[in-house]
Amino acid sequence: KAGVTQTPRYLIKTRGQQVTLSCSPISGHRSVSWYQQTPGQGLQFLFEYFSETQRNKGNFPGRFSGRQFSNSRSEMNVSTLELGDSALYLCASSLYGRAAEEQYFGPGTRLTVT
Amino acid sequence: AQSVTQLGSHVSVSEGALVLLRCNYSSSVPPYLFWYVQYPNQGLQLLLKYTTGATLVKGINGFEAEFKKSETSFHLTKPSAHMSDAAEYFCAVILSYAGGTSYGKLTFGQGTILTVHP
Repeated sequence: KAGVTQTPRYLIKTRGQQVTLSCSPISGHRSVSWYQQTPGQGLQFLFEYFSETQRNKGNFPGRFSGRQFSNSRSEMNVSTLELGDSALYLCASSLYGRAAEEQYFGPGTRLTVT
Repeated sequence: AQSVTQLGSHVSVSEGALVLLRCNYSSSVPPYLFWYVQYPNQGLQLLLKYTTGATLVKGINGFEAEFKKSETSFHLTKPSAHMSDAAEYFCAVILSYAGGTSYGKLTFGQGTILTVHP
């Protein structure tokens, strides 16, 4: 079974631009969560989607948004990029997003904002 | 609310020595606890998890952890370190029941980088 895939793997953007990252979950998984990883703040939860609905959200500004499609693939968008948005963005999938379930992580998208 | 503290951002051991990575948590309701490992330029891989039942849980690659409620700890151990264990390790918590606020929301510690010397 194929793992979680994320595209692109690396991205360089300029301040003020916007960016869209993509995540394809493991086949059959309906929950997708997104995390931001930085050296200073560590791993922080962005949001979780299930059946095209955002069910949970972390403490990030409204510039960070996401969506999920009917095939469970998910995208996250960051508008008006700031230098501090440079990070590794990880997505994770699970069957139903329940607390006891293992979340399977993708390799991440490394975003650099200049 | 929940939080995780990992004691020691860097741990160094010799090959064959005991590995002990410390994790303490705080949680308003009974927690589920996880240990993940991250190798350079890769995502996170689950080592083991505690949800209910036996408090000593065994994971992959010879790792195990014990849930101690009285000490609010979930330390990770491995009897004998291998060079291939060098990586960053993350302890994480999720609330076992908190309605919608539990969905997908792992709270991670700051991570511990494990170095293994020959």
